[in-house]
Order: sequence, then C-alpha cells, then structure tokens
Amino acid sequence: AQSVAQPEDQVNVAEGNPLTVKCTYSVSGNPYLFWYVQYPNRGLQFLLKYITGDNLVKGSYGFEAEFNKSQTSFHLKKPSALVSDSALYFCAVRDPHSGAGSYQLTFGKGTKLSVIP
Amino acid sequence: GAVVSQHPSWVICKSGTSVKIECRSLDFQATTMFWYRQFPKQSLMLMATSNEGSKATYEQGVEKDKFLINHASLTLSTLTVTSAHPEDSSFYICSARVAGGSYNEQFFGPGTRLTVL
Repeated sequence: AQSVAQPEDQVNVAEGNPLTVKCTYSVSGNPYLFWYVQYPNRGLQFLLKYITGDNLVKGSYGFEAEFNKSQTSFHLKKPSALVSDSALYFCAVRDPHSGAGSYQLTFGKGTKLSVIP
Repeated sequence: GAVVSQHPSWVICKSGTSVKIECRSLDFQATTMFWYRQFPKQSLMLMATSNEGSKATYEQGVEKDKFLINHASLTLSTLTVTSAHPEDSSFYICSARVAGGSYNEQFFGPGTRLTVL
C-alpha cells in the first residue's frame, strides 16, 4: 500500500526567507508525486508533479520540489516566501502500478504554512 | 483549461433530509471522478471513485447506500448524501481526471461545505 508522510503540522517562515515543506513517501514502484495547495474553504490547487525525468521539478507560483529516490522524499521549496503563500499544503502519491485504471491519489495529512510579514 | 466546478458551494440542511452535490468538468471530459471528504484540519479521505457509465467503487468503510454516486455523463458526477445526520457535516471535494491523454494529475473542484443541523 502507498503512503505519504508530512512530518510537520505547521511551518512558520519569515517573508523573504526560503521555505521548505517536507514530504516522504512509500510506494512499491516508481512513484508519481504531487503537491497541492489549499486556501481556506477552497478546493485543492495543483502546484507541481514529478512523473519522470529531472529530479528538480518547477511548478506554479515559484514553487519547486526535488525528488530524492534514495531518501524517498519530495520536499517542496521556494527561494523567497510571500505572505500570500500562507495556506495548507498537501503532498500526494500515486502508485502507477496499483492496478489497471487506478488513478487514486493518497494524500499526506497536510502542512500549514504561515509566512510572517 | 481543466476547470472543475461544484454546486452548491455550501448547504445547510435538516437532519434526515437528502442533499445532492454536483461535480462538473467544464472544459474537458472526465471518465473518472473522485469524491473526497475532508474534516477540519485533516487531510482528504477518498470516499469513492466514479467511472462514467458504471457503478462507483467505494473505499472501505464508506456506506454505499448513504453516499449515492452517479456518473451519468463525461462531464457530471453527483454525490447524494441520503438521510443526512450531523456527523455527515464535512467539506466534500470532487476531482476529475482528464479522459485519455497523458495527464496524471487530478483537477479539483472548489468543494462543498455541508452542515447538517
């Protein structure tokens, strides 16, 4: 079974500083990995994904994530945080070998990011 | 592109009544839609996978007779919460997968907040 761990419930960072939101995963084969952001009372917005290729993935709003197979991690990063980045961030994994037609995502519990002015 | 809408965005109902939530893919066809439930400050929990023209696949512990899912067309899936009770109050989010193509991400609706009095 696939699983995702986001070890931090909350991350606080000062505006302008770099931010990192951690994610580790467990899946039987090569994973498909995703990051989503959720603002209060809103659905999830797609940020970026890793399917294959370059381990450093660039996404929306200046975010990027690095796939590290040996550490089974997919941490989300941004060089300079904005107050508007404050939101709930979810890491998700899909096991492409989980069965024909299965496109289910397994989500981490989420990390609340607070960017302090 | 790839916009998913949900209607209503919020609903308040009396205990014992049924509530229908619509999920529409506005600019693409979705053979597969997913229904999630999110409790406050918690992650998304997959309730069921909805495939156009066939019966939905429910996750373990989700009552099929209580949460009726219909995916009658390639752009519409509905979730009906039957005989709703206060414990059914939650944020319900749908997502849709683009039919065919090489997309691997799901596109999420904005969510529906259900409050059962």
